[in-house]
Amino acid sequence: AQKITQTQPGMFVQEKEAVTLDCTYDTSDPSYGLFWYKQPSSGEMIFLIYQGSYDQQNATEGRYSLNFQKARKSANLVISASQLGDSAMYFCAMRELRGTYKYIFGTGTRLKVLA
Amino acid sequence: DGGITQSPKYLFRKEGQNVTLSCEQNLNHDAMYWYRQDPGQGLRLIYYSQIVNDFQKGDIAEGYSVSREKKESFPLTVTSAQKNPTAFYLCASRDLSSGGAGELFFGEGSRLTVL
Repeated sequence: AQKITQTQPGMFVQEKEAVTLDCTYDTSDPSYGLFWYKQPSSGEMIFLIYQGSYDQQNATEGRYSLNFQKARKSANLVISASQLGDSAMYFCAMRELRGTYKYIFGTGTRLKVLA
Repeated sequence: DGGITQSPKYLFRKEGQNVTLSCEQNLNHDAMYWYRQDPGQGLRLIYYSQIVNDFQKGDIAEGYSVSREKKESFPLTVTSAQKNPTAFYLCASRDLSSGGAGELFFGEGSRLTVL
């Protein structure tokens, strides 16, 4: 069965430092996609970054990068040069690409950036 | 601006009443989803629809109903049969026709409180 695990309920990081948010997943499907979303206090989920299971290189989007270790089934989000506006909940999610609809979400990590 | 509009943002309901949450999108997306978010539990899928006049149950559909009469609209009714309806509800959509990541686009959510 598909599963996403985020073991860090909360994290602190100093402004301008880098932070890694952990995500491990479980699936028996060789074709899948991994997503990270940010949820500020306003409630809207904002898509950050995507990694496909067959992608050879780790995904990057500006200050966000995804540390994809396929053998370990981990897809950690790295935020470089943290900003106060990065304080939010972060969710890891997965979709098996053969199934067109189902996205599985982790329980989230609350990140607090300190000035 | 293209996006997803959910209304109302806050809703209070007495026990035994049905309520309907609105979700409208102008992104021309085929697929639409309803998720429920509770503290510490991530997002759980209630219903999804990939095409007009068709929808499928997700993991926690009991006590909920939906309709998809128009491509841009996917209202969710929380019925009196839902035992614990107090939660944050998120509507999302996805473009099935284009390639790419297939990320979900979310509305700002509706917070339902049962008194």
